[in-house]
Amino acid sequence: GESVGLHLPTLSVQEGDNSIINCAYSNSASDYFIWYKQESGKGPQFIIDIRSNMDKRQGQRVTVLLNKTVKHLSLQIAATQPGDSAVYFCATGSSSNTGKLIFGQGTTLQVKP
Amino acid sequence: DVKVTQSSRYLVKRTGEKVFLECVQDMDHENMFWYRQDPGLGLRLIYFSYDVKMKEKGDIPEGYSVSREKKERFSLILESASTNQTSMYLCASSLTRDEQYFGPGTRLTVT
Repeated sequence: GESVGLHLPTLSVQEGDNSIINCAYSNSASDYFIWYKQESGKGPQFIIDIRSNMDKRQGQRVTVLLNKTVKHLSLQIAATQPGDSAVYFCATGSSSNTGKLIFGQGTTLQVKP
Repeated sequence: DVKVTQSSRYLVKRTGEKVFLECVQDMDHENMFWYRQDPGLGLRLIYFSYDVKMKEKGDIPEGYSVSREKKERFSLILESASTNQTSMYLCASSLTRDEQYFGPGTRLTVT
């Protein structure tokens, strides 16, 4: 079946450094990709998304890169801050799967002061 | 801002009880979803709905049912709660069939 996996369950970075969180997916029909952030005790919060007709999209301090050839997705956070400490999920969807998203298990980002 | 609210943040129920988890969204979204979140398993889809009175099974519907009588409200029902249903339950809604907005979650403990 379909799967979405994250490469590292935990990532620890120094405050001010850049963070890169990776995600791999298995379904070639996936054409929509989302990154969510979940802080302790809260529901997941949308960060950024990208569609399969793009390979890069930038937001405020965040960039998502998509490599469809190897089915790989990454989230880059520039100048990581303590407030970025959270669990980050990638999720994939496809037009043929009518709105359902497949979620990865999450990477915990720890920011050291 | 989209707001998705869930009726309780924490809930403790006994085995065999009928449990209702309520979710309300205020943005006129057609689509609503119920997930459960467990350590090491990520988010798993229980049920979803694309319209009033419409429901579809997700990946783990066993032991659950749902109700959507009004567009803004989507209820998850545990007919007879069991200890293996102890989990974090998350509701989400979306306008398009893409980005989903999540509520704060209900942490349910079944004893």
